Amino acid sequence: DTGVSQNPRHKITKRGQNVTFRCDPISEHNRLYWYRQTLGQGPEFLTYFQNEAQLEKSRLLSDRFSAERPKGSFSTLEIQRTEQGDSAMYLCASSDPLFPEQYFGPGTRLTVT
Amino acid sequence: AQTVTQSQPEMSVQEAETVTLSCTYDTSESDYYLFWYKQPPSRQMILVIRQEAYKQQNATENRFSVNFQKAAKSFSLKISDSQLGDAAMYFCAYRSPGNNDMRFGAGTRLTVKP
Repeated sequence: DTGVSQNPRHKITKRGQNVTFRCDPISEHNRLYWYRQTLGQGPEFLTYFQNEAQLEKSRLLSDRFSAERPKGSFSTLEIQRTEQGDSAMYLCASSDPLFPEQYFGPGTRLTVT
Repeated sequence: AQTVTQSQPEMSVQEAETVTLSCTYDTSESDYYLFWYKQPPSRQMILVIRQEAYKQQNATENRFSVNFQKAAKSFSLKISDSQLGDAAMYFCAYRSPGNNDMRFGAGTRLTVKP
């Protein structure tokens, strides 16, 4: 079990550019979550997948954000036309449906200049 | 909506001593889960301990234990025999069985002094 992995770990981009992050969950977990964490705050929920279906989206997920999990394995989170306010740590988590806890990846730190 | 409050932005403890981190939450639900997560400087969140609301017995994991007071909506974490490796941000989190997201507090930064 290698845990949840995320790539890249760091991303610096200019305002207006598009960025894409990848998350690979724990292999036997069919549930996958994206969170955003800003400095000095706890993670905030963005969206949730069960297998390939996106079942829940937070109001934080504006129309510039899109997430996919095409084959029910890895997931991508894309941000279009990035803004400085998008600068944050983006965390991915996965879980087994039999247990309530979520397991987090190391995150992707996005800096928008 | 459920909210989680951690009123201690920073705490410090001497190595080998005991420290308690506070957490309160607001909910109208009777069944839910509570968690403490640790986020070391490398930033990967690690599950420390989990408590089911229907269980009266406080959860324990080695040096980590909780004091769960359901009526008071309080969920504190006690770390015994603190070690340098315990230094991290600690987040309290709430999850109801019907929801898929976790609600986190703002965190408590724990410093362990040698």
